[in-house]
Amino acid sequence: DQQVKQNSPSLSVQEGRISILNCDYTNSMFDYFLWYKKYPAEGPTFLISISSIKDKNEDGRFTVFLNKSAKHLSLHIVPSQPGDSAVYFCAASIPPNTDKLIFGTGTRLQVFP
Amino acid sequence: KAGVTQTPRYLIKTRGQQVTLSCSPISGHRSVSWYQQTPGQGLQFLFEYFSETQRNKGNFPGRFSGRQFSNSRSEMNVSTLELGDSALYLCASSLGGLHQPQHFGDGTRLSIL
Repeated sequence: DQQVKQNSPSLSVQEGRISILNCDYTNSMFDYFLWYKKYPAEGPTFLISISSIKDKNEDGRFTVFLNKSAKHLSLHIVPSQPGDSAVYFCAASIPPNTDKLIFGTGTRLQVFP
Repeated sequence: KAGVTQTPRYLIKTRGQQVTLSCSPISGHRSVSWYQQTPGQGLQFLFEYFSETQRNKGNFPGRFSGRQFSNSRSEMNVSTLELGDSALYLCASSLGGLHQPQHFGDGTRLSIL
């Protein structure tokens, strides 16, 4: 049972345009969400997070939106750059008494010139 | 500040053997968690250790075990290896636990022949 789903395995975007990566979850108990970026042969790198008490968090070119009623979050990258080409994972955390970190299967983003 | 260090980077074993992977967290981080990454499955949470105690556990069989030492370094052991255990094993550390961004190592690539 995949509690965190990234239904698009890949995405291709032109440099300078917006990249939108999507993530859906099934467990309404999740209260903290994160996005990680992973280059080949390296470990994931934390990008941005959002708590369930917010619906938007912004950090430079990266913005995460959370729609709790739809159990959906998205990562917007504006403008996209070739260096953003990587695999992006969303992750969700359950409150401390059953604390786990659940990752999606990842979306491979390719930004072309 | 040194990052999370995992050793070895690559490992080849045969079925039925056992293996121990090592992880040195960022200095001062007390939480160490382990993940298995396989194609199509994303990152799957194995377990988390905090101050030498296993605090959280994912849905893996008992062949997968771990421990954490007083200096926060952690080891993961897999016994009676199976072909399906071939994967990238990632370790991550944080100050307080899974409700904070995780800092990942570059992983150990385990191949089972």
